[in-house]
Order: sequence, then structure tokens, then C-alpha cells
Amino acid sequence: EAQVTQNPRYLITVTGKKLTVTCSQNMNHEYMSWYRQDPGLGLRQIYYSMNVEVTDKGDVPEGYKVSRKEKRNFPLILESPSPNQTSLYFCASSLTSPSTDTQYFGPGTRLTVL
Amino acid sequence: QQQVKQSPQSLIVQKGGISIINCAYENTAFDYFPWYQQFPGKGPALLIAIRPDVSEKKEGRFTISFNKSAKQFSLHIMDSQPGDSATYFCAATRGFKTIFGAGTRLFVKA
Repeated sequence: EAQVTQNPRYLITVTGKKLTVTCSQNMNHEYMSWYRQDPGLGLRQIYYSMNVEVTDKGDVPEGYKVSRKEKRNFPLILESPSPNQTSLYFCASSLTSPSTDTQYFGPGTRLTVL
Repeated sequence: QQQVKQSPQSLIVQKGGISIINCAYENTAFDYFPWYQQFPGKGPALLIAIRPDVSEKKEGRFTISFNKSAKQFSLHIMDSQPGDSATYFCAATRGFKTIFGAGTRLFVKA
């Protein structure tokens, strides 16, 4: 089944403890992206990747890191999480770009930073 | 910052009625305008999308109306059903970046 998977689905952590949220897609998509969803704000783009080893900032990149060493994986790294990063996170992918191809979203990761 | 403004925040419609959600954008460089549907506990899923050179697109009960000069676009759900109850997001895309509206929670009463 073609899909975007994320792990973990739920995570509770404490301020300053480094964490990684994994994202993987099995559709051979070149483009991948991370979003955060907050009430009243919709989804906001954190980082995106046009292909392996090529990444760029979205609208809210502060406090996040990403890497794209393999085509199928695009992990999101929070090196020193803070309570304002408590949010629902979505990974997405599309064949080449979101303005030419359907963007497929993962099931989400709910992160709480205490 | 580029913005996409979406209204209303929430909407209650009777079964069989028409649901209308509106969005407005600022940046004329956007070249793709998708609508996403999200059910509780799930990720958004593409519902229907339009490009700015088209004024209307219809897929089943879902229609996008696009007004390029006014920089506005809207989603119409005809014959709304309880199964349409979900959160709807409009979005605007340019290249590799996507800006989302704040979302509309639709509830269709049986």
C-alpha cells in the first residue's frame, strides 16, 4: 500500500531532551515536507526537501533540523525541544513538487513538550 | 508573511444543504490552489484542486470557484452529507512551498 508513515505517533518529552520523529514514504517520491498543525493556525511548513541531500526552510524552521540522506526517509530533529513546539506534526510527500503533484500526508505525530 | 485567509472557522449545515467555505490570498505568484479534507486522528487528504487559469472545477459534489482578479476562491459542497463532517483546509502553493488557511470545521446535521 502506498503510504507515508511516521513514528512515533505520540510522544511526551521534557524541555531540552533531543528527539527525532521519523518519516518514510514508499512511493519513490522526490519531494518531502514537514508541517506543524496548531489550532487556529492551520498547517505551517517547517522544512521541505526537493530530493536527496537538498533541503530548504519553510515558514517556521526555528528550533528544527532535517536531513535527507535517502530518498524514502526525511526525519525531523528537535535538538532542544521547548514547550512552544508542542504540536501535531505531519510529514508529506509528492512525486516532484506540491504544485504539480498530489501531496500525500502521514497520520501525524502528536508531540507534547513539558 | 504570505497569508491565506479562510472563513468561516466553523460551519453547521443541514443534510442535503450546500456548504460554502471561502479563502483569500495575497500573493499573485501562487500557481496551485488545493483543498484538503481532514478527519479526526488522520492526516489531511487532497479533495480537489484548481489552477489560476481556470474559474471553476467540479468533481462530484465538490466545486471550486476561483476569482483571480479578487484573489479569492471557494469550496462548495452540494447535497452535504453527515459523512462530509470534517475539517477543511484551503491552501496556496508556489513551487515547493505551501501556505494553508486556518481551517473550517464542518458539521452536517442529519
